[in-house]
Amino acid sequence: DTAVSQTPKYLVTQMGNDKSIKCEQNLGHDTMYWYKQDSKKFLKIMFSYNNKELIINETVPNRFSPKSPDKAHLNLHINSLELGDSAVYFCASSPRGASSYSGNTIYFGEGSWLTVV
Amino acid sequence: GESVGLHLPTLSVQEGDNSIINCAYSNSASDYFIWYKQESGKGPQFIIDIRSNMDKRQGQRVTVLLNKTVKHLSLQIAATQPGDSAVYFCAEIRSSSNTGKLIFGQGTTLQVKP
Repeated sequence: DTAVSQTPKYLVTQMGNDKSIKCEQNLGHDTMYWYKQDSKKFLKIMFSYNNKELIINETVPNRFSPKSPDKAHLNLHINSLELGDSAVYFCASSPRGASSYSGNTIYFGEGSWLTVV
Repeated sequence: GESVGLHLPTLSVQEGDNSIINCAYSNSASDYFIWYKQESGKGPQFIIDIRSNMDKRQGQRVTVLLNKTVKHLSLQIAATQPGDSAVYFCAEIRSSSNTGKLIFGQGTTLQVKP
């Protein structure tokens, strides 16, 4: 069973469109994240939700809106897509609590490759 | 600002040799470091971690060294195998943040030559 699953894996879309990437985790974790990996492989956090509550929002344009319908899901909606949004987006999850924030309890999905043309 | 970086973008080694991947960080308040491996087409995968009260930690074929004086950590892979070919990231969690936010370095591509 896949612990953190993202859909779609590949997405090619035109500038100006609106698209969503979905993420689900079956680990029972309370915290979920979105990371963006650019063309130079640099990974940077975008958002984090803890039990449906937003706890990290890292200076991401308003066109990006995360939505967490329940603690097992964290979706990323992007409005008015721009060329610079082309990247790989990774969802991740971890248990709640400072003592739980260790590398081996943070699980990443396999990524969603977004290409804006 | 926040910065966790790596010294070299690409490292090429012969199969069977040892590999050393380096990372520098800038915040002396950093207290927990993790090495991740990212294979092509996949997400980052945990390799090994180390807390700031340690200077060395060993796993299976991997060792992480932490030098707090010069804010440097390294990942050593013994007897490198073709399956070790991947991008390696150092990352940091500041336990004071209580959010689980990972701060990643740039990544080093490890190429293993047969």
